[in-house]
Amino acid sequence: GQNIDQPTEMTATEGAIVQINCTYQTSGFNGLFWYQQHAGEAPTFLSYNVLDGLEEKGRFSSFLSRSKGYSYLLLKELQMKDSASYLCAVRGLGGSYIPTFGRGTSLIVHP
Amino acid sequence: EAQVTQNPRYLITVTGKKLTVTCSQNMNHEYMSWYRQDPGLGLRQIYYSMNVEVTDKGDVPEGYKVSRKEKRNFPLILESPSPNQTSLYFCASSSPDREVEEQFFGPGTRLTVL
Repeated sequence: GQNIDQPTEMTATEGAIVQINCTYQTSGFNGLFWYQQHAGEAPTFLSYNVLDGLEEKGRFSSFLSRSKGYSYLLLKELQMKDSASYLCAVRGLGGSYIPTFGRGTSLIVHP
Repeated sequence: EAQVTQNPRYLITVTGKKLTVTCSQNMNHEYMSWYRQDPGLGLRQIYYSMNVEVTDKGDVPEGYKVSRKEKRNFPLILESPSPNQTSLYFCASSSPDREVEEQFFGPGTRLTVL
């Protein structure tokens, strides 16, 4: 099985940088996803890491260390619209090819 | 437009009255799955399907059934709904042919069982 941990809630200021951490334990590893979910809406895909290192996509970057079972999502130049939940999801090896989700981190951006 | 659709979007029902939530995708994806989302518990997988006629239990399958007779459709069936199945439900699809294999989610179905 998989165990995924993320902070429950974070707050940050508009224009700042915030890092949302995700740690996981899994019997095998085949990729880590980050999704964004605004209240009452469906999750939308943000980033994917399968090898160690940093993936950058505009204001969002995601980092993975497989040996440490650790990932983070970095959001730069925060905007009010970035207030949302951020979901870390891990895909293991074998069995279901569908990722397992963490409980999500609720990010509140204030002026 | 590539999308996953779910119906109904909102449903209030009573205990024991069978219901079906439909899910359809137009992207020819092999993989489909159902999740429920509850406050403080995140997205939990109910059932998933790797292809037509291939389904398997997720983490919280009790009280639910699914079928995958066609590639595009993956209905979720509650034979005898109970109040603890009040939740927000999401259907999702993905494909191993895509480089990243990210999931595409439907808009959600908010179910209340009285």
